[in-house]
Amino acid sequence: KQEVTQIPAALSVPEGENLVLNCSFTDSAIYNLQWFRQDPGKGLTSLLLIQSSQREQTSGRLNASLDKSSGRSTLYIAASQPGDSATYLCAVTGGSYIPTFGRGTSLIVHP
Amino acid sequence: DAGVTQSPTHLIKTRGQHVTLRCSPISGHKSVSWYQQVLGQGPQFIFQYYEKEERGRGNFPDRFSARQFPNYSSELNVNALLLGDSALYLCASSLDQGAYNEQFFGPGTRLTVL
Repeated sequence: KQEVTQIPAALSVPEGENLVLNCSFTDSAIYNLQWFRQDPGKGLTSLLLIQSSQREQTSGRLNASLDKSSGRSTLYIAASQPGDSATYLCAVTGGSYIPTFGRGTSLIVHP
Repeated sequence: DAGVTQSPTHLIKTRGQHVTLRCSPISGHKSVSWYQQVLGQGPQFIFQYYEKEERGRGNFPDRFSARQFPNYSSELNVNALLLGDSALYLCASSLDQGAYNEQFFGPGTRLTVL
């Protein structure tokens, strides 16, 4: 059974810092990994989707990498802003075609 | 283009009642999935529907059921509500059921069971 772990569980940083959020998974036989952002009480917003054949994806200040062999992905946020404050979730899709989510990293960026 | 829509936004029910949640996927998307998210946890998969057929089911009791309509919208039904069913229910749509597809989520329905 796939298990997804996200570290750290919570993070508080001053504005302007570069951040790294981590996601690890136990079964490396995956089709893709997707990073989401969730604001309190709201739905999930897709940030980046990395297919199993890819090593990384970039969108604006966000960069996500994938290392299938080690079962790890990182989400890099450059020059963080207060508007980046949210919970960040990663989801891994494997042979069952059903995404497995981590518990998320709660990020607070203070001015 | 409209994203995934869900209704209602909030719902309060009492134990033992029944609830129906509704979801409309992004235009052109044929697959709809339902998730339950309890506070402080990641979403847990409940069902996936593609072309009006159930294609996947998570570890939820038979009190949970769903269906997909010819226009690809979907309903999630929960019978005999328990306090533990209180959660945010999320719907996600994708182009088809393939594992390589990106999932897009709706805003969710907050269900409170008293």
